[in-house]
Amino acid sequence: DIQLTQSPSFLSASVGDRVTITCRASQGISTYLAWYQQKPGKAPNLLIYAASTLQSGVPSRFSGSGSGTEFTLTISSLQPEDFAIYYCQQLNNYPRNTFGQGTRLEIK
Amino acid sequence: QLQLQESGPGLVKPSETLSLTCTVSGGSISSSSYHWGWIRQPPGKGLEWIGSIYYSGSTYYNPSLKSRVAISVDTSKNQFSLKLSSVTAADTAVYSCARAGGHYSDSGTYYYYMDVWGRGTTVTVSS
Repeated sequence: DIQLTQSPSFLSASVGDRVTITCRASQGISTYLAWYQQKPGKAPNLLIYAASTLQSGVPSRFSGSGSGTEFTLTISSLQPEDFAIYYCQQLNNYPRNTFGQGTRLEIK
Repeated sequence: QLQLQESGPGLVKPSETLSLTCTVSGGSISSSSYHWGWIRQPPGKGLEWIGSIYYSGSTYYNPSLKSRVAISVDTSKNQFSLKLSSVTAADTAVYSCARAGGHYSDSGTYYYYMDVWGRGTTVTVSS
């Protein structure tokens, strides 16, 4: 099975900061990668699919890049509502899929 | 607007079978464009895909759970269901259902994602 490793696992940042989260796959997955945001007690919310395509309604401060085994999610200017847990998901062998372990983004 | 709602017992005894149902409203489960999946999240841990089903009944399971999982669909009720047998405390989690759809890129590649999720239901395994 394809494993995803996110780094860092925990990130402390301030409003207005630019932050980057990395997701590494144990083998090449082309661009079959999605990113989700999850807030406490809520279902995950799709942010990005195909590694870099912004889901409709998601603010443009979110962006994704990468292909193969290394991917990044960038938030250009953190807003208070962005503090949450972020997950990457690989869908290279869809319907089989796996998630990263998550990155918790907290306010400094 | 499509909505998914999980239902089922919140407490299951060890060695018994966990049974949950996801009811789809605001759209048809029989759409050929989507799969319907179950995902779980143990307390304080990350997301784990359990399995998915197509409206035709084709199923796909996480290899680590395959021997204990069964997912079925009832198109007449617009529902799909999860059964997980021989549960232990390690199966305690929030269980969510989700729709998996996709989109064609400009190059013609089809990319999948899970774009609609239920709110999740907590299942505790305890005697």
